[in-house]
Amino acid sequence: GAGVSQTPSNKVTEKGKYVELRCDPISGHTALYWYRQSLGQGPEFLIYFQGTGAADDSGLPNDRFFAVRPEGSVSTLKIQRTERGDSAVYLCASSLGRTQYFGPGTRLTVL
Amino acid sequence: EDQVTQSPEALRLQEGESSSLNCSYTVSGLRGLFWYRQDPGKGPEFLFTLYSAGEEKEKERLKATLTKKESFLHITAPKPEDSATYLCAVQPGGAAGNKLTFGGGTRVLVKP
Repeated sequence: GAGVSQTPSNKVTEKGKYVELRCDPISGHTALYWYRQSLGQGPEFLIYFQGTGAADDSGLPNDRFFAVRPEGSVSTLKIQRTERGDSAVYLCASSLGRTQYFGPGTRLTVL
Repeated sequence: EDQVTQSPEALRLQEGESSSLNCSYTVSGLRGLFWYRQDPGKGPEFLFTLYSAGEEKEKERLKATLTKKESFLHITAPKPEDSATYLCAVQPGGAAGNKLTFGGGTRVLVKP
């Protein structure tokens, strides 16, 4: 079966622009997570959805970051007024139980 | 605040040279400890979940163990294809119980 997919795989944008990153979870997984990974570091939690609602958004760094999951499946992470410090790999994971399965990530570069 | 520290940061091994990776953690009630493997340019790949002290899990040349303060990932007679970054993560119990807190990883290079 298909794993978690993320698009685009790479995104280059300019400082101040708006970007959207998409995550398609494993079919049937009710929980979806976003993490951010900087070079040489472990992933850092951003937000967790159970169904359509954000159950925990405590990891979002500021109000420029927002995520939605309107139908309880695909999720979009939205970043407004991007800054160079937002450059990282954004990872999505999904789960049915405790184990989270990760996608390949989107590498975001803000010039 | 939950914390995970992995050591060493990097490990160079000869093929067949067994070694262990350490993951020390502090967490408010452990719901699970997870090991992942990450290849360059890829997302983390799930290896093991450990739930309670004394538990052990094995898969091919890898064996994970858990105590109340730390976990070890033992690599027995490694092969070059075991080269990767190994990530440890904890999941706390209670209301905050779904997000994972990761360590910085151990980069393992196995030379033929």
